[in-house]
Amino acid sequence: KAGVTQTPRYLIKTRGQQVTLSCSPISGHRSVSWYQQTPGQGLQFLFEYFSETQRNKGNFPGRFSGRQFSNSRSEMNVSTLELGDSALYLCASSSPNEDTQYFGPGTRLTVL
Amino acid sequence: GESVGLHLPTLSVQEGDNSIINCAYSNSASDYFIWYKQESGKGPQFIIDIRSNMDKRQGQRVTVLLNKTVKHLSLQIAATQPGDSAVYFCAETWGAQKLVFGQGTRLTINP
Repeated sequence: KAGVTQTPRYLIKTRGQQVTLSCSPISGHRSVSWYQQTPGQGLQFLFEYFSETQRNKGNFPGRFSGRQFSNSRSEMNVSTLELGDSALYLCASSSPNEDTQYFGPGTRLTVL
Repeated sequence: GESVGLHLPTLSVQEGDNSIINCAYSNSASDYFIWYKQESGKGPQFIIDIRSNMDKRQGQRVTVLLNKTVKHLSLQIAATQPGDSAVYFCAETWGAQKLVFGQGTRLTINP
């Protein structure tokens, strides 16, 4: 069974731009969560989607948003990028019958 | 607020020795704990998990111990190998599908 995939793997943007990251969960998984990883703050929860609905949200500004499609694929969007948004963005999926989250390789975003 | 932390940011062990990585958590309502391994350039990889109704769980070369009295979690790796070199994270959750991660411990295996 294929793992969680994320595209693109690397991205370079400039301040003020916006970015969209994509995540395809493991087949059969309906929950998708997004995390931001930085050296200073570690791994922080952004939001979680289940059946196209945001079920949980972390403490991030409204510039960070997401959505989930009927096939469980998810996207997250960051608008008006700031230097501090440079991070590894990780997507994780889980099945309805278990709590374990399985992570993708991440998208490395660099904001210049 | 809730937090999950690690006692040691770095740990160096000799190849073949056993490693113990510790983690303290603060939310007594947490009911599920996971250890992840993250290698350079990769996403966190699931190692082992444990529910709050257990105090020990064993996998292949790994054991997780949970002490709810002192809110402490540990990961034991037996006979460490060079491939075990990575950053290890503990994470906790309390049913809301939101994982709270510790800062991580970097494990280095010396030949």
